[in-house]
Amino acid sequence: KQEVTQIPAALSVPEGENLVLNCSFTDSAIYNLQWFRQDPGKGLTSLLLIQSSQREQTSGRLNASLDKSSGRSTLYIAASQPGDSATYLCAVRTGGGANNLFFGTGTRLTVIP
Amino acid sequence: DTGVSQNPRHKITKRGQNVTFRCDPISEHNRLYWYRQTLGQGPEFLTYFQNEAQLEKSRLLSDRFSAERPKGSFSTLEIQRTEQGDSAMYLCASSFEQGTNEKLFFGSGTQLSVL
Repeated sequence: KQEVTQIPAALSVPEGENLVLNCSFTDSAIYNLQWFRQDPGKGLTSLLLIQSSQREQTSGRLNASLDKSSGRSTLYIAASQPGDSATYLCAVRTGGGANNLFFGTGTRLTVIP
Repeated sequence: DTGVSQNPRHKITKRGQNVTFRCDPISEHNRLYWYRQTLGQGPEFLTYFQNEAQLEKSRLLSDRFSAERPKGSFSTLEIQRTEQGDSAMYLCASSFEQGTNEKLFFGSGTQLSVL
């Protein structure tokens, strides 16, 4: 079974810093990897989806990279803002079925003004 | 299109009671998912519908849990004889089938507390 790990579990940074969140997965046979944002007590919002054939995706201040062979992905956030404070989860899809999306436990980010 | 809507947002119940949650997906989405998320964990798959057909169920879905999507639109998730271990956030997601690059849209969830 695919295992998805996110380290660290929590991270605090001062406003304006660039930061990197890490995601690792045990089985490199994936179709895609997705990064989500979750605000406290809320659902998940999709940020970026990287297909297995891609190396990175960018959206605004966010850049996600994928190294499928080593089972790693990073989410880079440039010029962090207090509004970026949330939990960030990565999820890997290992097939087209409904039960083939595996989530990590998330990194809780706090950006200090 | 106002996104995926879930009701209620919060539910507090006593052990042994039955509870029912509702999910209204994005209108043109034919796939609907239920996930459960406990504190500090990622969401875990419970069950999935394509239109009105329930096509997959997780082993996490004991016989106290039942889900329906009678007309292929909204869905309900019922938990009978609730236990304290059922306390969690129940998330609904919907999508329009796009193969392995399917993108899920999540609702805000129903937070269940069983006392």
